[in-house]
Amino acid sequence: DVKVTQSSRYLVKRTGEKVFLECVQDMDHENMFWYRQDPGLGLRLIYFSYDVKMKEKGDIPEGYSVSREKKERFSLILESASTNQTSMYLCASSFIWDSVSLTFGSGTRLTVV
Amino acid sequence: AQTVTQSQPEMSVQEAETVTLSCTYDTSESDYYLFWYKQPPSRQMILVIRQEAYKQQNATENRFSVNFQKAAKSFSLKISDSQLGDAAMYFCAYRRRDDKIIFGKGTRLHILP
Repeated sequence: DVKVTQSSRYLVKRTGEKVFLECVQDMDHENMFWYRQDPGLGLRLIYFSYDVKMKEKGDIPEGYSVSREKKERFSLILESASTNQTSMYLCASSFIWDSVSLTFGSGTRLTVV
Repeated sequence: AQTVTQSQPEMSVQEAETVTLSCTYDTSESDYYLFWYKQPPSRQMILVIRQEAYKQQNATENRFSVNFQKAAKSFSLKISDSQLGDAAMYFCAYRRRDDKIIFGKGTRLHILP
């Protein structure tokens, strides 16, 4: 069964910490995405990568950066975590020739205290 | 800018009944994709159904069907013979020309036994 795996299901971090959220897919997908999910706001795209070392900003990139050193791994980095970054983070991936079919991970619920 | 609007934050339906979830979107593009995703309590986002805008025929997947009205920019999801396992958050989504997918705010569906 194909998978998108997010390394942590729950994470608690302190304000000002540098936080890494990891996502790994085993489907040889070119495209990888990071979304943030908040109640009443739906899913909002943070960053998108269509190839190794390539990245594009989504709709809410402020306060975040990403790293894609290998095709299967896409990391979301919070350089200095703040309480307003407390949220659910969802990673997704797709083939570049079939970008309509996203496969999602099961999410990381991050709490910044 | 493209937007996706789900006007029903929550809905309830009796088991075995039919329910329709509404979605409207705004775009100036002529060719695009629309989706309905389901997020159960496990948080795993699952693609329910997708519709290509150039196809006039409404998509159907077993008990799930859509009513796609391109001129009205409406894309509703009908669930027939509702089952307890259908209880979830449902998100309507649109794929932009740059391959990024944007989501509505979601509709929480409750199934009453």
